[in-house]
Order: sequence, then C-alpha cells, then structure tokens
Amino acid sequence: GAVVSQHPSWVICKSGTSVKIECRSLDFQATTMFWYRQFPKQSLMLMATSNEGSKATYEQGVEKDKFLINHASLTLSTLTVTSAHPEDSSFYICSARVPRQGNTGELFFGEGSRLTVL
Amino acid sequence: TQLLEQSPQFLSIQEGENLTVYCNSSSVFSSLQWYRQEPGEGPVLLVTVVTGGEVKKLKRLTFQFGDARKDSSLHITAAQPGDTGLYLCAGVSTGKLIFGQGTTLQVKP
Repeated sequence: GAVVSQHPSWVICKSGTSVKIECRSLDFQATTMFWYRQFPKQSLMLMATSNEGSKATYEQGVEKDKFLINHASLTLSTLTVTSAHPEDSSFYICSARVPRQGNTGELFFGEGSRLTVL
Repeated sequence: TQLLEQSPQFLSIQEGENLTVYCNSSSVFSSLQWYRQEPGEGPVLLVTVVTGGEVKKLKRLTFQFGDARKDSSLHITAAQPGDTGLYLCAGVSTGKLIFGQGTTLQVKP
C-alpha cells in the first residue's frame, strides 16, 4: 500500500508557541491531503482539505488563522498550530488519496502526531 | 451533511465470542470503508465495499454493504485479543472522507 508519513510523532510545547506538523506522501504524489483531529476514544474529525498550490478548504468551526495549512508540493503538506493552548492538545492525523483509476475514495493515513500543550 | 451512525460505541467481550458492528446512514454512499485503529497510530484500511449487497471476507472478519448502500456491518467470528482496537466506518461525501463515531472493541483473554 501507499505510504504516508508524519513528523513529528509527538511534540510537547508551551502555551503560546507555534508547532508545525509535516505530512509526506513517500511513494506517490498527492494533489489533495486531508487533516483530521482526534480526541481520546473519539472518532476522527475532518479539519481541512489541503490542496497543492492553492488555499486549504476548512471545515465549519475550524479556525483558519489558528490552523495554518500549506501544501507547497505534491508530496508535502504542513499543519501549523499557531499560539497553541492546552485545548489544542490532540492527536492530529493526515491522509492522502492515491490517484488511480476507479478511485473509490480510499485514503492512506499517516501515523499521527500527538500534540501536548502545557 | 451525510452522517454515519455507528453502534455500539463500546464493546467488551470474551475471547471466542462473535460480534457485529453496525454503520448506518440516511444517505446513499457510493462506497464505504472500514478501518481499524490502534492507540497512538493512524487508521489502517481493512476493506472497501462498493456494490449494494456486497459481502467481503477477511479471515474472521465479514463485511456487508446494504442493498440500498446506506448501511454496512462488520462481523467478527471467534474474536481474539489481537482484535482489540477502534473500528471505524467511513464514507465519501462531497469528495471528503467522513467517519462514523467509531466502535471501541475490547477482547478479553
């Protein structure tokens, strides 16, 4: 299967600082990547759709100025949590769709990044 | 907005028991996926069902897509402790993959 890699796997930061999480597609090019957020024992909530070369599309209720997304190349999308606060602590997961014929919407997910804001 | 309702949300059973997880929606999906996620990791795709009435088997796991493509089920036969995890159904809505609430399964030895 396709490989999507996230970095860092976990990060601890102080309140008020900014944290950048990278999502890379290692063996394919992804024009679209998706960022999800997951709280303990809950499902994945879509935050935004990252589009290569254009602005990200944010889901309702997600602050675009708080969660900056950049998709500068076909293999890299970044999520920057700006001025992080303890309530931003969560598990952030990215995913990408492998472009192929007869695509049924299957996504491949990164390993996730655990953010803890002190 | 298409919503996926999963049930049950939590399930704790003994090794060797059978179980079924349901994923229901009022809307039609072109396909549904089932994922399994372990703590601290990203979800891993188990199966995609596309055709109404389709049944797919993956060892002890049986997946079914409803005839009307609005619902799906996951049946596990003779559950083992290694089956413990979070099971998620997901469907594509307006180009985005939307997840159900998830079912946390615990299989006790």
